Amino acid sequence: EPEVTQTPSHQVTQMGQEVILRCVPISNHLYFYWYRQILGQKVEFLVSFYNNEISEKSEIFDDQFSVERPDGSNFTLKIRSTKLEDSAMYFCASSTETGTGELFFGEGSRLTVL
Amino acid sequence: SQQGEEDPQALSIQEGENATMNCSYKTSINNLQWYRQNSGRGLVHLILIRSNEREKHSGRLRVTLDTSKKSSSLLITASRAADTASYFCATVPIQGAQKLVFGQGTRLTINP
Repeated sequence: EPEVTQTPSHQVTQMGQEVILRCVPISNHLYFYWYRQILGQKVEFLVSFYNNEISEKSEIFDDQFSVERPDGSNFTLKIRSTKLEDSAMYFCASSTETGTGELFFGEGSRLTVL
Repeated sequence: SQQGEEDPQALSIQEGENATMNCSYKTSINNLQWYRQNSGRGLVHLILIRSNEREKHSGRLRVTLDTSKKSSSLLITASRAADTASYFCATVPIQGAQKLVFGQGTRLTINP
């Protein structure tokens, strides 16, 4: 069964360092998303991406964050200069519909900022 | 409270019993979805109910939606130990339909 894959599963970084989280969405999906979940808290929307551009982003998704689809398969989230409060589980998701249908989530990348 | 608030926050029942989780939301929605998350894992879609639907079934799952009360419930019948997980409702607002808005979740424990 097709699935969304994310790498790395866990990354530890020092505050101020750049981090890139990678995702391979399901191949025939057109809409891509990043969500995050701080430990013990709810899952929060970060950004949606369609047709090679951001279609919507949340207040969390500030200038420190960027997304890119560098080729036909990968979808990346970059955090330019990590802060302690960026420590969270980051989930990539994809869907065939524009956020109104079922989302398929990856297993997540746990980011720990020291 | 935030969009998509579940209650109870935690529920512990015996295997074979039914589990009911509730979700309330604030804004008008396109649809409401329920997701399951095993500890430390990704979210798995369970069921989607559209704003013009009142009830939907999928296997042992039954979801209801009351748009006048802005609430939904998820019923899992004949629970199994493998149903132990966190369950989240997520709404798709009519405005800003590019995203899901998740609630805090209900932590369900099924005791064998």
